[in-house]
Amino acid sequence: AQSVTQLDSQVPVFEEAPVELRCNYSSSVSVYLFWYVQYPNQGLQLLLKYLSGSTLVESINGFEAEFNKSQTSFHLRKPSVHISDTAEYFCAVENTGFQKLVFGTGTRLLVSP
Amino acid sequence: DGGITQSPKYLFRKEGQNVTLSCEQNLNHDAMYWYRQDPGQGLRLIYYSQIVNDFQKGDIAEGYSVSREKKESFPLTVTSAQKNPTAFYLCASSMDPLAKNIQYFGAGTRLSVL
Repeated sequence: AQSVTQLDSQVPVFEEAPVELRCNYSSSVSVYLFWYVQYPNQGLQLLLKYLSGSTLVESINGFEAEFNKSQTSFHLRKPSVHISDTAEYFCAVENTGFQKLVFGTGTRLLVSP
Repeated sequence: DGGITQSPKYLFRKEGQNVTLSCEQNLNHDAMYWYRQDPGQGLRLIYYSQIVNDFQKGDIAEGYSVSREKKESFPLTVTSAQKNPTAFYLCASSMDPLAKNIQYFGAGTRLSVL
């Protein structure tokens, strides 16, 4: 069975500092990988996705994630965070063709001035 | 605007009562999903439906029921058999569950027990 591990439940960081949110998954088959962001009392929004092709994927607001098959990881990074990036971030995985997402437990990013 | 509408935003349930959470989408998506979110546990799948008049249990279906009579609607009933219903409930949809399954989410319903 698939599983997703987000080891950090909370990551505090100062504004304009770099950040990395870690995500590891377990699966014996090919996967699709996703990062979703959730602002307080809201639903989830897709941040970026890896389906195939280039292992480095980027979002429109400066986040990027790299698919590393050998390490079964899909870490999320941003070189310089803003206060508005404060939110909870969820990593999710789907076995190709399996039609269901499995989510990690989430990482709360806290950006302070 | 296209999207997913969940109502109500807040809901209170009395002991022994069934309550129904609404989820409507105008994205013309085939698949719809219900998740439960508890602090520190991420999202857990309750039920999902790939087409009208068909649905499957997810990982935590006990105490819940659903229907899918229309493509755009997928209501969730939290029955009295669900002994710990307090949670944030999220509805999602995707265009084609076989085509890379990008899910779009509603704003959620927060259910509390009186």
